[in-house]
Amino acid sequence: KAGVTQTPRYLIKTRGQQVTLSCSPISGHRSVSWYQQTPGQGLQFLFEYFSETQRNKGNFPGRFSGRQFSNSRSEMNVSTLELGDSALYLCASSNSVRETQYFGPGTRLLVL
Amino acid sequence: KNQVEQSPQSLIILEGKNCTLQCNYTVSPFSNLRWYKQDTGRGPVSLTIMTFSENTKSNGRYTATLDADTKQSSLHITASQLSDSASYICVVSESSNYQLIWGAGTKLIIKP
Repeated sequence: KAGVTQTPRYLIKTRGQQVTLSCSPISGHRSVSWYQQTPGQGLQFLFEYFSETQRNKGNFPGRFSGRQFSNSRSEMNVSTLELGDSALYLCASSNSVRETQYFGPGTRLLVL
Repeated sequence: KNQVEQSPQSLIILEGKNCTLQCNYTVSPFSNLRWYKQDTGRGPVSLTIMTFSENTKSNGRYTATLDADTKQSSLHITASQLSDSASYICVVSESSNYQLIWGAGTKLIIKP
């Protein structure tokens, strides 16, 4: 089985712009979660989608949004980018969030 | 409040030595506990996942233990290798609302 893929791998944006990140889960997985990791910090949970429904959401401002499509692929959008949004964004998929999550390689976002 | 605390925050040991990382949690109701290994700049990789009834689970040189009564887990690494240098993260799954509670991780450095 192919692993979790994330595109793009690297991205440079300027403050005020918006960005869309994409995640393709492992085939058959219906749960997709997104995390933000800033340098030297642990993973911060953004949100989890299951069968196109957002099931859980972390403590992030409304500028961070996501969605999941019928094929379980997921996108994450960040509007009005701030310097502090520079981070590694990780996507993880699983059959259920209660089972082992498999992580993608991440998208490294740099906001200038 | 659901929390996962890991200790030590960082650890340096010599190649070939053993080490034990600790995880204490207050998550309730409990579903399972996972240990992940995260290399710098990459997504975490699952090492073990343990349910309430499992006391010990091994994955090669990694052995995780779980004491559900005291709400403690440990990850023991035997005969450490340079490639074991990474962050090790303890994650507890809460069973009522599909939430995952992430620890801050232990940064392990193996020196030759």
